Amino acid sequence: NAGVMQNPRHLVRRRGQEARLRCSPMKGHSHVYWYRQLPEEGLKFMVYLQKENIIDESGMPKERFSAEFPKEGPSILRIQQVVRGDSAAYFCASSQKGRDSPLHFGNGTRLTVT
Amino acid sequence: GESVGLHLPTLSVQEGDNSIINCAYSNSASDYFIWYKQESGKGPQFIIDIRSNMDKRQGQRVTVLLNKTVKHLSLQIAATQPGDSAVYFCAEDNNAGNMLTFGGGTRLMVKP
Repeated sequence: NAGVMQNPRHLVRRRGQEARLRCSPMKGHSHVYWYRQLPEEGLKFMVYLQKENIIDESGMPKERFSAEFPKEGPSILRIQQVVRGDSAAYFCASSQKGRDSPLHFGNGTRLTVT
Repeated sequence: GESVGLHLPTLSVQEGDNSIINCAYSNSASDYFIWYKQESGKGPQFIIDIRSNMDKRQGQRVTVLLNKTVKHLSLQIAATQPGDSAVYFCAEDNNAGNMLTFGGGTRLMVKP
């Protein structure tokens, strides 16, 4: 009965390096969402994916950020050439049927850029 | 609405009392709402949801009220316990995109 699994839990990168965040959705869920959260703030939508397709990436910066959800394997959020402002908690959520169904969240990856 | 980076509003209640957490949403087209609880170091945890064709829904110790006229959502927690201490977020599905939009959150502190 595993929930949404994210790894790593903590990730430290130096400026200019790449960060890869992984997310395995709940069993039976084919809709994956990535959100970003700064301390003491709410969650900001980044991207919504279904298997092999990006459905909505309106919340994701156009440069340096990319996301994928391949046919096999976890969803990946990739941040290239990280900057200090990328430091945040990144949460992945999954749902069974997209709209009108609750999102189930993982425990996040806390990215620190030094 | 979304947080602008200020400290979270805090609600402090005595153990055993009832708690009411409020949320104002901005989009009158939103038709699905969810309350989440987030404990320190963890992801948001689903508490209860409500659709716009309802104005009240009850769960175990929790009740969500929806007032579409004034675009207001509230979460009532009965007999609040120390384990209820967390940050609570409301989220809305605005019926236009594919994502939930989260409010800024309220920190609930339960005094023993």
